[in-house]
Amino acid sequence: GAVVSQHPSRVICKSGTSVKIECRSLDFQATTMFWYRQFPKKSLMLMATSNEGSKATYEQGVEKDKFLINHASLTLSTLTVTSAHPEDSSFYICSAAKPGGNTEAFFGQGTRLTVV
Amino acid sequence: SQQGEEDPQALSIQEGENATMNCSYKTSINNLQWYRQNSGRGLVHLILIRSNEREKHSGRLRVTLDTSKKSSSLLITASRAADTASYFCATKISSGSARQLTFGSGTQLTVLP
Repeated sequence: GAVVSQHPSRVICKSGTSVKIECRSLDFQATTMFWYRQFPKKSLMLMATSNEGSKATYEQGVEKDKFLINHASLTLSTLTVTSAHPEDSSFYICSAAKPGGNTEAFFGQGTRLTVV
Repeated sequence: SQQGEEDPQALSIQEGENATMNCSYKTSINNLQWYRQNSGRGLVHLILIRSNEREKHSGRLRVTLDTSKKSSSLLITASRAADTASYFCATKISSGSARQLTFGSGTQLTVLP
C-alpha cells in the first residue's frame, strides 16, 4: 500500500518555542493532506485540510496563527506549532488520500509532542 | 464534531473468541471505513465498504453496513493477542467535495492470551 511518512515521531520542546512536523507522501502525489490531533484514549479530531499551492482550511476552533500549515509541494505538508504551550502537548497525525476521492486514507506514524 | 459513535468503548475477550464492534453515524455517506491503531502509532486501514454494499469480508474481518439504520459493525473472528488495538470507524460524507474522513469515538479491544 501507499506510504505516508511523518517526522519526527517524538519531540519535546520548551514553552514558547515552535515545532515543525513534516508529512510526506512517498509514492503518490497528494494535492490534499489532513492534520489531526488526538488526545489520550480519544478519537481523531480534524484540525485542518492542507491544500497544495493554496491556503489551508481550518476547522472551527482551530487557530490558524497557532498551527501554521504549509503545503509547498505535492508530496510534503508541514504543521508548525508556534509558541507552544503545555496544553499543545498531544499526538498529531497526518493523512493523505490518493487522487480520485473515495478511497482509503493513508496515515503517518504520528508525532508525540510534549511541551515542557 | 464527531459523526460516529462506537460501542462498546472497551472490549476484553479471550484469544480465539470473536470480537464485534459497532459504529453509528448521522449523515448520508459515500463509504464507511474501519481503521486500527496500535497505541501511540498511526492508523492502518482495514476495510472500506461503500454505501451500496451491505457486507464485506477480508480475511478474519467481516464488516456490515445498514444505511437505513446508519450503522456498521466490524467482526473479528478467531481473535489473537496481536489484534489488541483501538479500532475506529470513519465515514466519508456524500455531499460536497469534502474529502476528509470523520472518525468515530473508537473501541479499545484487548485480546487476552
